[in-house]
Amino acid sequence: DAGVTQSPTHLIKTRGQQVTLRCSPKSGHDTVSWYQQALGQGPQFIFQYYEEEERQRGNFPDRFSGHQFPNYSSELNVNALLLGDSALYLCASSLGVTENYGYTFGSGTRLTVV
Amino acid sequence: AQSVTQPDIHITVSEGASLELRCNYSYGATPYLFWYVQSPGQGLQLLLKYFSGDTLVQGIKGFEAEFKRSQSSFNLRKPSVHWSDAAEYFCAVGLNFGNEKLTFGTGTRLTIIP
Repeated sequence: DAGVTQSPTHLIKTRGQQVTLRCSPKSGHDTVSWYQQALGQGPQFIFQYYEEEERQRGNFPDRFSGHQFPNYSSELNVNALLLGDSALYLCASSLGVTENYGYTFGSGTRLTVV
Repeated sequence: AQSVTQPDIHITVSEGASLELRCNYSYGATPYLFWYVQSPGQGLQLLLKYFSGDTLVQGIKGFEAEFKRSQSSFNLRKPSVHWSDAAEYFCAVGLNFGNEKLTFGTGTRLTIIP
Protein backbone atom coordinates (compact mmCIF):
# COMPACT_ATOMS: atom_id res chain seq x y z
CA ASP A 1 0.00 0.00 0.00
CA ALA A 2 1.75 3.13 -1.23
CA GLY A 3 1.88 5.98 1.18
CA VAL A 4 2.10 9.64 0.27
CA THR A 5 4.53 10.28 -2.56
CA GLN A 6 6.16 13.65 -3.13
CA SER A 7 8.35 14.82 -5.98
CA PRO A 8 10.98 15.97 -6.38
CA THR A 9 12.79 15.15 -3.15
CA HIS A 10 15.20 18.06 -3.47
CA LEU A 11 15.52 21.08 -5.71
CA ILE A 12 17.40 24.33 -5.89
CA LYS A 13 15.88 27.48 -7.35
CA THR A 14 16.98 31.08 -7.80
CA ARG A 15 15.22 34.04 -6.23
CA GLY A 16 12.35 35.27 -8.37
CA GLN A 17 11.78 31.92 -10.05
CA GLN A 18 8.68 29.79 -9.83
CA VAL A 19 8.46 26.22 -8.55
CA THR A 20 5.92 23.40 -8.66
CA LEU A 21 5.89 20.59 -6.13
CA ARG A 22 3.82 17.45 -6.57
CA CYS A 23 2.03 15.08 -4.25
CA SER A 24 0.22 11.78 -4.72
CA PRO A 25 -1.96 10.91 -1.74
CA LYS A 26 -2.15 7.58 0.00
CA SER A 27 -4.42 5.10 -1.74
CA GLY A 28 -8.02 5.71 -0.65
CA HIS A 29 -7.40 9.26 0.57
CA ASP A 30 -9.13 12.20 -1.10
CA THR A 31 -7.91 15.23 0.86
CA VAL A 32 -4.48 16.82 0.51
CA SER A 33 -2.90 19.37 2.83
CA TRP A 34 0.39 21.20 2.40
CA TYR A 35 2.74 22.32 5.15
CA GLN A 36 5.95 24.35 5.15
CA GLN A 37 8.62 23.40 7.66
CA ALA A 38 11.46 25.87 8.01
CA LEU A 39 14.71 24.66 9.53
CA GLY A 40 14.34 24.13 13.27
CA GLN A 41 10.62 24.85 13.24
CA GLY A 42 7.39 22.92 13.32
CA PRO A 43 5.33 22.56 10.15
CA GLN A 44 3.11 25.51 9.23
CA PHE A 45 -0.20 24.92 7.43
CA ILE A 46 -0.34 26.36 3.91
CA PHE A 47 -3.66 25.09 2.56
CA GLN A 48 -5.91 22.07 2.11
CA TYR A 49 -7.64 20.73 -0.98
CA TYR A 50 -10.78 18.63 -1.10
CA GLU A 51 -12.97 17.90 -4.11
CA GLU A 52 -10.55 19.93 -6.24
CA GLU A 53 -11.16 23.10 -4.25
CA GLU A 54 -9.13 24.97 -1.67
CA ARG A 55 -10.97 24.29 1.55
CA GLN A 56 -8.78 26.03 4.12
CA ARG A 57 -5.82 28.36 3.92
CA GLY A 58 -3.16 29.37 6.40
CA ASN A 59 -1.34 32.69 6.65
CA PHE A 60 0.60 32.46 3.44
CA PRO A 61 0.70 35.06 0.64
CA ASP A 62 -0.97 34.62 -2.71
CA ARG A 63 2.40 33.64 -4.18
CA PHE A 64 1.51 30.21 -2.80
CA SER A 65 -1.17 28.50 -4.83
CA GLY A 66 -2.29 24.98 -5.40
CA HIS A 67 -4.38 22.61 -7.37
CA GLN A 68 -6.01 19.25 -6.89
CA PHE A 69 -6.67 16.93 -9.79
CA PRO A 70 -9.58 14.49 -10.28
CA ASN A 71 -7.32 11.62 -9.18
CA TYR A 72 -6.78 13.50 -5.86
CA SER A 73 -3.13 14.28 -6.55
CA SER A 74 -2.06 17.84 -5.87
CA GLU A 75 0.45 20.51 -6.82
CA LEU A 76 1.86 23.36 -4.80
CA ASN A 77 3.07 26.35 -6.81
CA VAL A 78 5.20 29.14 -5.43
CA ASN A 79 5.84 32.24 -7.54
CA ALA A 80 8.51 34.93 -7.16
CA LEU A 81 10.60 32.82 -4.82
CA LEU A 82 12.25 34.48 -1.85
CA LEU A 83 15.20 33.24 0.17
CA GLY A 84 12.76 32.77 3.07
CA ASP A 85 10.83 30.19 1.06
CA SER A 86 13.67 27.72 1.60
CA ALA A 87 12.12 24.91 3.62
CA LEU A 88 10.89 21.35 3.68
CA TYR A 89 7.46 21.19 2.08
CA LEU A 90 5.31 18.40 3.41
CA CYS A 91 2.22 16.96 1.83
CA ALA A 92 -0.30 15.16 3.99
CA SER A 93 -3.28 13.17 2.81
CA SER A 94 -6.42 12.15 4.67
CA LEU A 95 -9.90 10.77 4.07
CA GLY A 96 -12.78 13.20 3.90
CA VAL A 97 -13.41 16.31 5.91
CA THR A 98 -16.16 15.31 8.33
CA GLU A 99 -14.28 12.83 10.47
CA ASN A 100 -10.79 13.18 11.81
CA TYR A 101 -9.00 10.02 10.85
CA GLY A 102 -5.66 11.75 10.87
CA TYR A 103 -3.06 12.59 8.30
CA THR A 104 -0.48 10.50 6.53
CA PHE A 105 2.57 12.61 5.71
CA GLY A 106 4.97 12.26 2.84
CA SER A 107 8.73 12.58 3.24
CA GLY A 108 8.71 16.07 1.83
CA THR A 109 10.43 18.16 -0.82
CA ARG A 110 13.46 20.10 0.31
CA LEU A 111 13.45 23.47 -1.50
CA THR A 112 16.53 25.66 -1.41
CA VAL A 113 16.30 29.19 -2.82
CA VAL A 114 19.62 30.85 -3.65
CA ALA B 1 -6.37 30.97 17.56
CA GLN B 2 -4.91 27.79 18.89
CA SER B 3 -1.24 27.49 19.81
CA VAL B 4 1.13 24.80 21.04
CA THR B 5 4.16 25.19 23.27
CA GLN B 6 6.90 22.63 23.62
CA PRO B 7 9.15 24.15 26.28
CA ASP B 8 12.06 21.76 25.82
CA ILE B 9 14.05 22.36 22.64
CA HIS B 10 16.47 19.49 23.25
CA ILE B 11 16.42 16.58 25.69
CA THR B 12 19.14 13.99 26.27
CA VAL B 13 18.39 10.71 28.02
CA SER B 14 20.27 7.49 28.54
CA GLU B 15 19.13 4.37 26.75
CA GLY B 16 16.75 2.46 28.99
CA ALA B 17 15.76 5.53 30.99
CA SER B 18 12.23 6.91 31.10
CA LEU B 19 11.16 9.86 28.98
CA GLU B 20 8.62 12.64 29.27
CA LEU B 21 8.20 15.33 26.61
CA ARG B 22 6.09 18.30 27.53
CA CYS B 23 3.35 19.90 25.48
CA ASN B 24 0.99 22.72 26.43
CA TYR B 25 -1.77 23.99 24.20
CA SER B 26 -4.02 27.00 24.06
CA TYR B 27 -7.49 26.48 22.69
CA GLY B 28 -10.96 27.41 23.87
CA ALA B 29 -12.67 24.08 23.37
CA THR B 30 -11.56 20.49 23.71
CA PRO B 31 -8.93 20.06 21.06
CA TYR B 32 -7.80 17.18 18.96
CA LEU B 33 -4.24 16.48 20.14
CA PHE B 34 -1.47 14.65 18.36
CA TRP B 35 2.13 13.59 18.78
CA TYR B 36 4.25 13.07 15.68
CA VAL B 37 7.84 11.90 15.32
CA GLN B 38 10.23 12.97 12.57
CA SER B 39 13.51 11.23 11.81
CA PRO B 40 16.19 13.22 9.97
CA GLY B 41 15.21 13.93 6.38
CA GLN B 42 11.87 12.21 6.80
CA GLY B 43 8.23 13.17 7.00
CA LEU B 44 6.11 12.97 10.12
CA GLN B 45 4.83 9.72 11.61
CA LEU B 46 1.82 9.73 13.90
CA LEU B 47 2.58 8.30 17.34
CA LEU B 48 -0.81 8.80 18.95
CA LYS B 49 -3.85 11.05 19.09
CA TYR B 50 -6.50 12.14 21.55
CA PHE B 51 -10.03 13.13 20.61
CA SER B 52 -12.16 12.29 23.64
CA GLY B 53 -12.71 9.61 26.26
CA ASP B 54 -9.94 8.05 28.28
CA THR B 55 -7.35 10.72 28.95
CA LEU B 56 -4.46 8.26 28.79
CA VAL B 57 -3.86 7.18 25.23
CA GLN B 58 -1.55 4.50 23.96
CA GLY B 59 0.39 4.84 20.75
CA ILE B 60 2.88 3.02 18.64
CA LYS B 61 6.44 2.15 19.64
CA GLY B 62 5.51 1.95 23.32
CA PHE B 63 4.59 5.63 23.70
CA GLU B 64 1.69 6.97 25.70
CA ALA B 65 0.34 10.44 26.42
CA GLU B 66 -1.95 11.89 29.04
CA PHE B 67 -4.44 14.69 28.42
CA LYS B 68 -4.85 16.99 31.41
CA ARG B 69 -7.51 19.59 30.77
CA SER B 70 -6.80 21.52 33.97
CA GLN B 71 -3.19 22.02 32.93
CA SER B 72 -3.82 22.32 29.17
CA SER B 73 -1.18 19.69 28.71
CA PHE B 74 -0.65 16.59 26.63
CA ASN B 75 2.70 15.15 27.69
CA LEU B 76 4.30 12.22 25.90
CA ARG B 77 5.91 9.43 27.91
CA LYS B 78 7.85 6.25 27.40
CA PRO B 79 9.03 4.04 30.27
CA SER B 80 12.26 2.90 28.62
CA VAL B 81 13.79 4.55 25.56
CA HIS B 82 15.72 2.80 22.82
CA TRP B 83 18.50 4.25 20.67
CA SER B 84 16.08 4.20 17.72
CA ASP B 85 13.83 6.72 19.51
CA ALA B 86 16.31 9.50 18.76
CA ALA B 87 14.37 11.94 16.57
CA GLU B 88 12.39 15.19 16.61
CA TYR B 89 9.03 15.06 18.33
CA PHE B 90 6.17 17.41 17.54
CA CYS B 91 2.98 18.04 19.44
CA ALA B 92 0.04 19.36 17.41
CA VAL B 93 -3.49 20.58 18.00
CA GLY B 94 -6.44 20.48 15.62
CA LEU B 95 -9.94 21.90 15.71
CA ASN B 96 -13.04 20.13 16.79
CA PHE B 97 -13.99 18.06 13.77
CA GLY B 98 -12.88 17.01 10.38
CA ASN B 99 -9.36 16.81 9.05
CA GLU B 100 -8.77 20.41 9.93
CA LYS B 101 -5.43 22.10 9.79
CA LEU B 102 -2.99 21.23 12.54
CA THR B 103 -1.02 23.76 14.54
CA PHE B 104 2.35 22.35 15.52
CA GLY B 105 4.76 23.17 18.29
CA THR B 106 8.38 23.94 17.51
CA GLY B 107 9.46 20.42 18.40
CA THR B 108 11.72 18.70 20.91
CA ARG B 109 14.89 17.02 19.70
CA LEU B 110 15.60 13.81 21.57
CA THR B 111 19.14 12.50 21.86
CA ILE B 112 19.83 9.04 23.31
CA ILE B 113 23.17 8.29 24.92
CA PRO B 114 24.41 4.71 25.42
